[in-house]
Amino acid sequence: GENVEQHPSTLSVQEGDSAVIKCTYSDSASNYFPWYKQELGKRPQLIIDIRSNVGEKKDQRIAVTLNKTAKHFSLHITETQPEDSAVYFCAASINPGGYQKVTFGTGTKLQVIP
Amino acid sequence: DAGITQSPRHKVTETGTPVTLRCHQTENHRYMYWYRQDPGHGLRLIHYSYGVKDTDKGEVSDGYSVSRSKTEDFLLTLESATSSQTSVYFCAIGSSGGNNEQFFGPGTRLTVL
Repeated sequence: GENVEQHPSTLSVQEGDSAVIKCTYSDSASNYFPWYKQELGKRPQLIIDIRSNVGEKKDQRIAVTLNKTAKHFSLHITETQPEDSAVYFCAASINPGGYQKVTFGTGTKLQVIP
Repeated sequence: DAGITQSPRHKVTETGTPVTLRCHQTENHRYMYWYRQDPGHGLRLIHYSYGVKDTDKGEVSDGYSVSRSKTEDFLLTLESATSSQTSVYFCAIGSSGGNNEQFFGPGTRLTVL
């Protein structure tokens, strides 16, 4: 089955700096790569996603890149703010017949230091 | 938050007792999922449903069963709870259209003593 590895497990940055989280996946059939943000005690919420036919996607201060050949994708957060502090999960997904088979990474705890 | 609720939100139970968690959606989405979240493991799929009375196993299904008698409700049952099932359980829903996004419920924190 699919295996998603995520690094680093923890990340501390100064407010205003950039943060980068990297993930690799194993199944070349994966075609959808969402990123979720989870604040303490809350539900995971989608912040950005990318499909396999796209190499890069940007939404304000966050961007995601995908390298299908190398099977890795990354989340970039620029101009970090204290409210960016949370746990971030990457995921790789395939949909064999409609249902989404999603495999999550183990999470990155981001701390933005004011 | 996408019209998805879970009950109870917190539960403490003893080893060997049965436990049922409920997920309720108002979005009329076809697909529903149960995940468990544990430190160091991210979110892992327990079971999923692709329609009323249609369910299948995920990667960590041992010790769990599910039922879906109505589109809006997806139940997760621990027939005989064990301490290893102490976890936070999240339900998620997804549509069958081109959008692949899954929306998560607020979670249920289950402690098995």
